[in-house]
Amino acid sequence: DAGITQSPRYKITETGRQVTLMCHQTWSHSYMFWYRQDLGHGLRLIYYSAAADITDKGEVPDGYVVSRSKTENFPLTLESATRSQTSVYFCASRKGGAETQYFGPGTRLLVL
Amino acid sequence: GIQVEQSPPDLILQEGANSTLRCNFSDSVNNLQWFHQNPWGQLINLFYIPSGTKQNGRLSATTVATERYSLLYISSSQTTDSGVYFCAVQNTGGFKTIFGAGTRLFVKA
Repeated sequence: DAGITQSPRYKITETGRQVTLMCHQTWSHSYMFWYRQDLGHGLRLIYYSAAADITDKGEVPDGYVVSRSKTENFPLTLESATRSQTSVYFCASRKGGAETQYFGPGTRLLVL
Repeated sequence: GIQVEQSPPDLILQEGANSTLRCNFSDSVNNLQWFHQNPWGQLINLFYIPSGTKQNGRLSATTVATERYSLLYISSSQTTDSGVYFCAVQNTGGFKTIFGAGTRLFVKA
């Protein structure tokens, strides 16, 4: 039972480059989420998805793009990375509207 | 949107001591979870507790939804309890899960 996985686990990139962070879950959960975690800000919601082809903005969506063509995958793309996007990114999933949410192991991204 | 406040922000305990962490939220919720983020960064589910009381070993949690708060109790603390404890809520009728800023716990041997 793989659960929820993220790749890569670590990434170094340069300002202006496009970066895609992958998230995959094996539970067929309807809901998926992307958060970023920064010192002093806790976990902030970037985007979420209630089902395949349904996505919506969270608290800090600027500079990010998501897609959800398949239920099990929810990639997050930084179209033109900036230093302020250096962070730890967590993906999460949930079966239904009001159920336990599970987190992936995180991706540490450094933008130089 | 819904506001989530956790207290205290930081807590230092001697091994074996008990503690209570608090989470206040500003609106009605249909989902509340407590997470532990260990020193390696992993987020671990502790409780799914939109209302009532639950216990799991040395940890227990109580949510009083009508008064908009939840409490996490840690008894006989151990060094492995160190890390950050987050409360996360989802307001009634919504889909987003919003986190509090966390309580950073350090348990001394």
